[in-house]
Amino acid sequence: DAKTTQPPSMDCAEGRAANLPCNHSTISGNEYVYWYRQIHSQGPQYIIHGLKNNETNEMASLIITEDRKSSTLILPHATLRDTAVYYCIVRVAGRDDKIIFGKGTRLHILP
Amino acid sequence: DGGITQSPKYLFRKEGQNVTLSCEQNLNHDAMYWYRQDPGQGLRLIYYSQIVNDFQKGDIAEGYSVSREKKESFPLTVTSAQKNPTAFYLCASSRADDGNYGYTFGSGTRLTVV
Repeated sequence: DAKTTQPPSMDCAEGRAANLPCNHSTISGNEYVYWYRQIHSQGPQYIIHGLKNNETNEMASLIITEDRKSSTLILPHATLRDTAVYYCIVRVAGRDDKIIFGKGTRLHILP
Repeated sequence: DGGITQSPKYLFRKEGQNVTLSCEQNLNHDAMYWYRQDPGQGLRLIYYSQIVNDFQKGDIAEGYSVSREKKESFPLTVTSAQKNPTAFYLCASSRADDGNYGYTFGSGTRLTVV
């Protein structure tokens, strides 16, 4: 089973910040949080990842709580092209390294 | 440019026929993965491989087979034993055993069995 829980869908007005929450209460100390998004009928696209500290890149910011049990992906100025399904996942490194996807959050950007 | 190539993009097969989906990467990644996606659903893991000549079953391996004879290639065969093979199939690769390194996905193969 996926180690993360996300709301099934969210709406955001174009030009506003989109804040997508994710719960990963069973995360272990050496497991990274990753965010990917999938636009219809395409392969998932990497957005950002982090371990403990908040991270920012040209696409988004990732805020991880101090206890690491939840995180928030922030798209600072959402556009219609950000309409996609967003997956929050925990990478389990090691011999049995694999990603298990949940159902993600379907983000609708409203014009 | 480095990346993952899945071919073909669309594939049609008759019921009862085996079909092999291609996945090739030139990223020098040790680990490769196959996922299946049904309409409106998330990705489910079929098989994965951390090293050449070794692979493990994922959550839905029944009716599928794989091989990993070369580091660059991880073909997936959908056999006639797979009861509902029509789906979108995605291949991914990454460095093995490195949590601080993301996965790269291919663009997918949409398989339709008629």
